[in-house]
Amino acid sequence: GAVVSQHPSWVICKSGTSVKIECRSLDFQATTMFWYRQFPKQSLMLMATSNEGSKATYEQGVEKDKFLINHASLTLSTLTVTSAHPEDSSFYICSARAPGALQLGYGYTFGSGTRLTVV
Amino acid sequence: GDSVTQMEGPVTLSEEAFLTINCTYTATGYPSLFWYVQYPGEGLQLLLKATKADDKGSNKGFEATYRKETTSFHLEKGSVQVSDSAVYFCALPMEYGNKLVFGAGTILRVKS
Repeated sequence: GAVVSQHPSWVICKSGTSVKIECRSLDFQATTMFWYRQFPKQSLMLMATSNEGSKATYEQGVEKDKFLINHASLTLSTLTVTSAHPEDSSFYICSARAPGALQLGYGYTFGSGTRLTVV
Repeated sequence: GDSVTQMEGPVTLSEEAFLTINCTYTATGYPSLFWYVQYPGEGLQLLLKATKADDKGSNKGFEATYRKETTSFHLEKGSVQVSDSAVYFCALPMEYGNKLVFGAGTILRVKS
């Protein structure tokens, strides 16, 4: 159980274009999803918390207008990198937690990540 | 605030060697503790967990014990394999906001 699917697994785009990354919870409903960014050989940086039906909560220093997050249903959150530039190239990972998972001691489930390369 | 400190890597071991990756935490209360593993080019997978003091999490030969007195959750494996080469993250959920706090990650390289 508790599977999170993330697509695409990799994408190459031209500078100035926008890229959408999808994160789906396949067998559970996730009212909250999380988006992380990971730089080479570094830990995960939490970018934002995606809340179903409401605005995302962004971490300090993350540009809301550049990284648009939409959580329109209980099983889907999307991250759109707008007007992408080479410095946005990174590994993006989403995460979700099944209802009651924390209380039951289960961890968060992560997507397989998306490698974004902006050329 | 809540935080996790992990030993720096990379850690390079020969196959069948003993592994320890240290993790200590600072938190309000007694949160669940997790170890995640990230294989090259992939997302994170939950390796093991512990929900209360003195609990021992175990999976795939890895073990970690929740030590309240030393606020530690060190990861151990008695005999590592080349296939264990990955990045290992210690993590705990923040008391508020349900966000996960990660350690910096420790790269493990196992050579045959």
